[in-house]
Amino acid sequence: DVKVTQSSRYLVKRTGEKVFLECVQDMDHENMFWYRQDPGLGLRLIYFSYDVKMKEKGDIPEGYSVSREKKERFSLILESASTNQTSMYLCASSLTPGQGSDTQYFGPGTRLTVL
Amino acid sequence: AQSVTQLDSHVSVSEGTPVLLRCNYSSSYSPSLFWYVQHPNKGLQLLLKYTSAATLVKGINGFEAEFKKSETSFHLTKPSAHMSDAAEYFCVVSDRRGYQKVTFGTGTKLQVIP
Repeated sequence: DVKVTQSSRYLVKRTGEKVFLECVQDMDHENMFWYRQDPGLGLRLIYFSYDVKMKEKGDIPEGYSVSREKKERFSLILESASTNQTSMYLCASSLTPGQGSDTQYFGPGTRLTVL
Repeated sequence: AQSVTQLDSHVSVSEGTPVLLRCNYSSSYSPSLFWYVQHPNKGLQLLLKYTSAATLVKGINGFEAEFKKSETSFHLTKPSAHMSDAAEYFCVVSDRRGYQKVTFGTGTKLQVIP
């Protein structure tokens, strides 16, 4: 089974802090994704990566950056956290670049609260 | 451009009765369509997906969905609801052509009443 793990289930940070959310997958998947989930809005794509050191903006990249130095690890960075970034963050991976029919495998999520 | 609309934000059914969760999509190209389920405090799990083969797709836990191109719909059904089906369900459309640009619906919360 594919396993996607996220470094924290719950995180509380202060406004202005730099925040790192880590995601690791163990199935040699090429694609990795970061979403945020908010009630009534579903999941919105922040960034994705289809290869090491490659990244593409999703629908809501503002205020976020990402890093993928190794294939299995994809980090989401909030350079200066703000209260409107309080949300559930979900990481996902899928096998094949450019394959829209691939299943995405999700981690359990990190609930981030910015005070 | 692509979009997906889940027509009900909440659905409530009695245990043992049928489940219908509605999804309409819009896509410029032949889409892939997915249903994912999210149980409380858990990540999302794939229920089923349509790529380009049979229009009636069977998934896990007795769920199925039918791709209807003429109606641009991909409704999720189950003949008999179980208490463990209580969760949030997401319909997803993906452009099959290029990089995996996916669009999620806003979700439908299914409540199962004993």
